[in-house]
Amino acid sequence: DTAVSQTPKYLVTQMGNDKSIKCEQNLGHDTMYWYKQDSKKFLKIMFSYNNKELIINETVPNRFSPKSPDKAHLNLHINSLELGDSAVYFCASSPLIPGLADEQFFGPGTRLTVL
Amino acid sequence: AQSVTQLDSHVSVSEGTPVLLRCNYSSSYSPSLFWYVQHPNKGLQLLLKYTSAATLVKGINGFEAEFKKSETSFHLTKPSAHMSDAAEYFCVVSAVGNQFYFGTGTSLTVIP
Repeated sequence: DTAVSQTPKYLVTQMGNDKSIKCEQNLGHDTMYWYKQDSKKFLKIMFSYNNKELIINETVPNRFSPKSPDKAHLNLHINSLELGDSAVYFCASSPLIPGLADEQFFGPGTRLTVL
Repeated sequence: AQSVTQLDSHVSVSEGTPVLLRCNYSSSYSPSLFWYVQHPNKGLQLLLKYTSAATLVKGINGFEAEFKKSETSFHLTKPSAHMSDAAEYFCVVSAVGNQFYFGTGTSLTVIP
């Protein structure tokens, strides 16, 4: 199926650990994103990549490092996990149409719980 | 600069009654506007989008929204609420360059 997929769906880990979340899209889109959704459902953009290049890097601790090995993948690595990192992380992709902002397609989310 | 304000954090309606979820935007450019729905423990799904064509936009599941430039609004409506409409709704504004700005969300409760 054509989609945006994320693994794992659930991630439970201890404070101080390092973990990664993977994202893949087979829609042929040029742009991919990572969002963090907190317990109040507020969505905050973290990163955006276009054709493997970083174009948005919001105020995010440098413990968070995105990696885009190719246009179809945008992985999120988190070092030294903290309690406040507990959230749902969404990956999304979007086609880049010159002069037009098109919709985003979202993955199912990864629920990260830091104990 | 772009921003979105969702005027109600929570809306409750009875099943079969109309739904109105309000959204105001601010944009320096001709914006694209979107409504997304998020059902519990699910990802976000596009309901509808406005990209400078018809100002009245029809989406999935009977939802529609009207772009009003003079009021800088993009309110979401549905004539008759269904139990399955209970979810979180996000209004989003975007300008060129694929930067998206999300509202804080409106939680819709449908009372049987």
